[in-house]
Amino acid sequence: DQQVKQNSPSLSVQEGRISILNCDYTNSMFDYFLWYKKYPAEGPTFLISISSIKDKNEDGRFTVFLNKSAKHLSLHIVPSQPGDSAVYFCAASEAHGGSQGNLIFGKGTKLSVKP
Amino acid sequence: EPEVTQTPSHQVTQMGQEVILRCVPISNHLYFYWYRQILGQKVEFLVSFYNNEISEKSEIFDDQFSVERPDGSNFTLKIRSTKLEDSAMYFCASRDRGHVTDTQYFGPGTRLTVL
Repeated sequence: DQQVKQNSPSLSVQEGRISILNCDYTNSMFDYFLWYKKYPAEGPTFLISISSIKDKNEDGRFTVFLNKSAKHLSLHIVPSQPGDSAVYFCAASEAHGGSQGNLIFGKGTKLSVKP
Repeated sequence: EPEVTQTPSHQVTQMGQEVILRCVPISNHLYFYWYRQILGQKVEFLVSFYNNEISEKSEIFDDQFSVERPDGSNFTLKIRSTKLEDSAMYFCASRDRGHVTDTQYFGPGTRLTVL
C-alpha cells in the first residue's frame, strides 16, 4: 500500500540545469508534505516543506509545488550543483488529523548532478 | 548545532536474540520517533512517543518491539526476539514541543543485521 509514490528511482542532471523530482500521493487526508535529502551513511535531512493550503514554497534554490487536485508535488532545484547528489525522499503527514506527525515516505529518487 | 545521535552504528545479531538500539534525541525535544528502512525500500514509520508513552504505532510495531525513555536523555528501541526480516537501518528522530509540522530531525541510523 504505497500512499506516497516516487516513480522515478533515479535522475541524472547536468550541473547548472534544473532538477525536477516528482511525487504522487493517494491519501486525501495528507495535509503536510516534506522533502528530505539523504546522503549515504547519514540519516534523512529536512529540506523543505509545504502545507496543503499553499501551492508553492520557495527556499533559495529549492522550490516545492503542490497540486492538490492531482495529488502531486514536485521539488525543483535550480541551479543544480554536484553537492545536491543524494537520495531525495518525499514524505507526507496528516498534520490536523490527531497525528503526532508520523511521516509516510516514498521510496526515494537518487539524484546525480554531473559536473 | 544540536543533533540526534544513535548507537551502535552497526549491530549484528543472531536470529532470536534481543537487541536494544539507542538514541539520544536533541535535548529540548519532546516528541520521539523510530523509523526503519529495509535495504532498497522506503523509510517506514514504526512508532511515536510523547510524555513517556506511545502516541502512535504502525502495524510493523508488533509485540516484539518496545520503546522506552529510561532517563532524561536516552530513547531506546528493543526487539525481543529478532527475525531475519528485522534486518534494516533503524532511524531515530525527534522534534520540538511545537506543532506537529515542526521539523523532525533524524539520527544517522543503526544498521541491524540479523543472521
